[in-house]
Amino acid sequence: SFDVTQAPSVSVSPGQTATITCSGEKVRNKYVSWYRQKPGQSPVLVIYQNDKRPSGIPERFSGSKSGNTASLTITETQTSDEANYFCQAWDSGATFGGGTQLTVL
Amino acid sequence: QEILVQSGAAVMKPGASVRASCEASGYSFTDHNIHWVRQAPGQGLEWLGIIDAFGGATHYSQKFQGRLSMTRDTSTRTAYMELNNLTSADTAIYYCARDYATVSSGSLGPWGQGTPVIVSS
Repeated sequence: SFDVTQAPSVSVSPGQTATITCSGEKVRNKYVSWYRQKPGQSPVLVIYQNDKRPSGIPERFSGSKSGNTASLTITETQTSDEANYFCQAWDSGATFGGGTQLTVL
Repeated sequence: QEILVQSGAAVMKPGASVRASCEASGYSFTDHNIHWVRQAPGQGLEWLGIIDAFGGATHYSQKFQGRLSMTRDTSTRTAYMELNNLTSADTAIYYCARDYATVSSGSLGPWGQGTPVIVSS
């Protein structure tokens, strides 16, 4: 089991908005980051400090947090966004969620 | 371009030790901490620990205390991870990742390409 909980899968149609959530007590008071991992590739940071976007990440990706739940929102979803998305909280050590497989179809 | 290049795959016997390297380029090596994370086949991400690339201080996940060691060589801009007393449960891809910010932020990026470690008799 994971201290940080994610739904195993989310499906969305191309062009629609996908929302992936992450919950747990570690989320409540700590910064949350989000990573995208495509098959056979290393993870890529897409959101840090709850809602900040690294350079090179499209504006379609945004993050937010309320209480013990953090959210990653992808607008105008593309087939290239299909990936496993992991959230992570930092509390003198990194705790990852189990990952959410985003399917775009 | 900020890049982390890791050593190649390793096949180890149970009880052995494995050492992976992570060479950094494209940024000031000592300005960012280095994390190590592993991913077992078909599984999620598991954080192993962090090393301060400037001073060498380390902090390990309690799960790996006593059999994990992280070091770095500032002259070659390389971080190392050594895991001892391997079992089949340690079969995974081992990633190094730079802390995104120059003060420890707990956000990881960029990541190395991963070092596959297979533990098999």
